[in-house]
Amino acid sequence: GQQVMQIPQYQHVQEGEDFTTYCNSSTTLSNIQWYKQRPGGHPVFLIQLVKSGEVKKQKRLTFQFGEAKKNSSLHITATQTTDVGTYFCAGLNTGGFKTIFGAGTRLFVKA
Amino acid sequence: DGGITQSPKYLFRKEGQNVTLSCEQNLNHDAMYWYRQDPGQGLRLIYYSQIVNDFQKGDIAEGYSVSREKKESFPLTVTSAQKNPTAFYLCASSIRAGGSYNEQFFGPGTRLTVL
Repeated sequence: GQQVMQIPQYQHVQEGEDFTTYCNSSTTLSNIQWYKQRPGGHPVFLIQLVKSGEVKKQKRLTFQFGEAKKNSSLHITATQTTDVGTYFCAGLNTGGFKTIFGAGTRLFVKA
Repeated sequence: DGGITQSPKYLFRKEGQNVTLSCEQNLNHDAMYWYRQDPGQGLRLIYYSQIVNDFQKGDIAEGYSVSREKKESFPLTVTSAQKNPTAFYLCASSIRAGGSYNEQFFGPGTRLTVL
């Protein structure tokens, strides 16, 4: 079945350092979404990428969708303590109805 | 005030008892989902529903049951057949299950502890 792998599992950074999490699917995706879950909270939708090679930015966050629509990344520039939490990617199979979540990358930011 | 609600926030049950978790949305979304999250883990899909009176098993449906009699409601029953039910349960909804409108909105979750 479809799998969505996400690395790394954990990342510790000093405030001000950059951070990147990577997502890889075993199959071609129709779209990919990114969510953020703060400690003790619930996942919150950040963005959706649909087009091959698409790049979107939200302030210090940059999201990319690979040319083959099988991988994606989230890059945070100059992390802040408010960035702590777990970042999940979630992929929808082409023609499918079930979104598969990656295991998430938990970000720790030291002030 | 639109959104998705889950109740209760914390739930304690004795082993062997069935328990039903509530999920309600007033977003007029067709699709609804139930996920299970264990400490430090990702989201695993239990059941999802694309439309009223229809639902499909996810990856870990054994020991769970759902119903979708109304568009706004998607209750989850954790049965005594579920061998390790203690977890954080998240309900979500989206405009559609597939296509371009499937970004999911999550409820605050229910933490179930089976004693």
